[in-house]
Amino acid sequence: NAGVTQTPKFQVLKTGQSMTLQCAQDMNHEYMSWYRQDPGMGLRLIHYSVGAGITDQGEVPNGYNVSRSTTEDFPLRLLSAAPSQTSVYFCASSRKTPGSGNTIYFGEGSWLTVV
Amino acid sequence: AQKVTQAQTEISVVEKEDVTLDCVYETRDTTYYLFWYKQPPSGELVFLIRRNSFDEQNEISGRYSWNFQKSTSSFNFTITASQVVDSAVYFCALSEDTGRRALTFGSGTRLQVQP
Repeated sequence: NAGVTQTPKFQVLKTGQSMTLQCAQDMNHEYMSWYRQDPGMGLRLIHYSVGAGITDQGEVPNGYNVSRSTTEDFPLRLLSAAPSQTSVYFCASSRKTPGSGNTIYFGEGSWLTVV
Repeated sequence: AQKVTQAQTEISVVEKEDVTLDCVYETRDTTYYLFWYKQPPSGELVFLIRRNSFDEQNEISGRYSWNFQKSTSSFNFTITASQVVDSAVYFCALSEDTGRRALTFGSGTRLQVQP
C-alpha cells in the first residue's frame, strides 16, 4: 500500500551543494511530476514525465533536472542549491488513460531548506 | 493559460458552523477536470474529489458537498457542521485532459475551526 514514496522527508543543504530528491511509485502510473509549494502560492509544476525516457519542463524548471529511466522512479536533482529553492517538494503520479481525468496521487512531501 | 483563483486566504469559523470555500477557474479547454485537495497540518495532500467538465451534478459526501457551475466557472466546496479536524489548507486545482496531466493549483484557503 505504498503509493507514491518520497525521500528524504527533511533536508538542509548549504548553498551550492547538490542533492537528489527521490520519488517512487508502485501503481504502474505512466505520468509522474514534481511540484514545489511556497507560502501563499499553491503548488507549481517543476518537471513532468509522460513515460519512461520522456521528460519535459513545467512552470518553474530552472535549477532542477529530472530523468525517467524506469516507470517507477522519477528523481529530482538540484545541481547547485540556492536559498530560493527552499520549499516543500511534492512528487505526484497518475495513469495515462486519456479522457478519464484520473486521480493524481501525491507523495508526503519533502521539506528542503537551503542555507 | 489555465488559472485557478481562491480569493479567500483564510477563514475562521466556530465548530458546527457551515462554511463554503470558493474556487473560480479559467481555461480554454472544453474538457477539463477539477479537484479539491486537503492539506492538514501534517503536510500531506489528501484527495477529496474530482469532477469532469461534462458533469455538473452536485456531489455530497457526508458533511462535504461540492457545487460545480460551468456558467460561472466555479467549483465551490461546502463543509456542513464543521469540526476541529477540518482545520487545514484546502486547494482547488484544474487539470487538462491531455498532455501533461498536470494540475494548476489555486493559492489555497486556510480553514481554522475553533472549538
